[in-house]
Amino acid sequence: QITLKESGPTLVKPTQTLTLTCTFSGFSLSTSGVGVGWIRQPPGKALEWLALIYWDDDKRYSPSLKSRLTITKDTAKNQVVLTMTNMDPVDTATYFCAHRQHQTNNQNWFDPWGQGTLVTVSS
Amino acid sequence: DIQMTQSPSSLSASVGDRVTITCRASQRISSYLNWYQHKPGKAPKLLIYAASSLQSGVPSRFSGSGSGTDFTLTITSLQPEDFATYYCQQSYSNPFFGPGTKVDIK
Repeated sequence: QITLKESGPTLVKPTQTLTLTCTFSGFSLSTSGVGVGWIRQPPGKALEWLALIYWDDDKRYSPSLKSRLTITKDTAKNQVVLTMTNMDPVDTATYFCAHRQHQTNNQNWFDPWGQGTLVTVSS
Repeated sequence: DIQMTQSPSSLSASVGDRVTITCRASQRISSYLNWYQHKPGKAPKLLIYAASSLQSGVPSRFSGSGSGTDFTLTITSLQPEDFATYYCQQSYSNPFFGPGTKVDIK
């Protein structure tokens, strides 16, 4: 059974850097094709993909946020860390991490997801 | 980047109704399209992957179709637990989501 759980601060101040950790079990990030993604949802708004890291340490970022994001993995600890710099109140959102499942035909999807963690940006 | 649109943005329906949600990609993505259900305070749930494959454990009243740029999610007989927001997501390149379709009670 695959599970993921997000952890990190619930409140950050504007201009600060946010660091979120996704701790997972039931799979290894050293297995070919596997990835972990971060997705957020501001209150009342849609899901927004942020970043994705693959088993081979390839990293992808949302173009609109690329300059502010860094995603890393610690395979031994079964963790993926997302940092977002220069936080602003508009970054207030629930942040989710999710397991990227794939097939040999390159089909891929996010399943399952963590429960999410609400981060509020306010002074 | 491939952008996703959905229609309608919201709809009101009754239990037992047939519901259809449309998703369109800004360029051809073959069948690289997934559908998720999201309820407030919960983790999003995968319903359909690869445009038409039903995820294990998902009721058969959910189905997906389409290829290229146009895709559809259909719920054949809406149940009380189906009131939620539905998102499409393309998996051809960077995994962008559509803006969502909120299904609420008429």
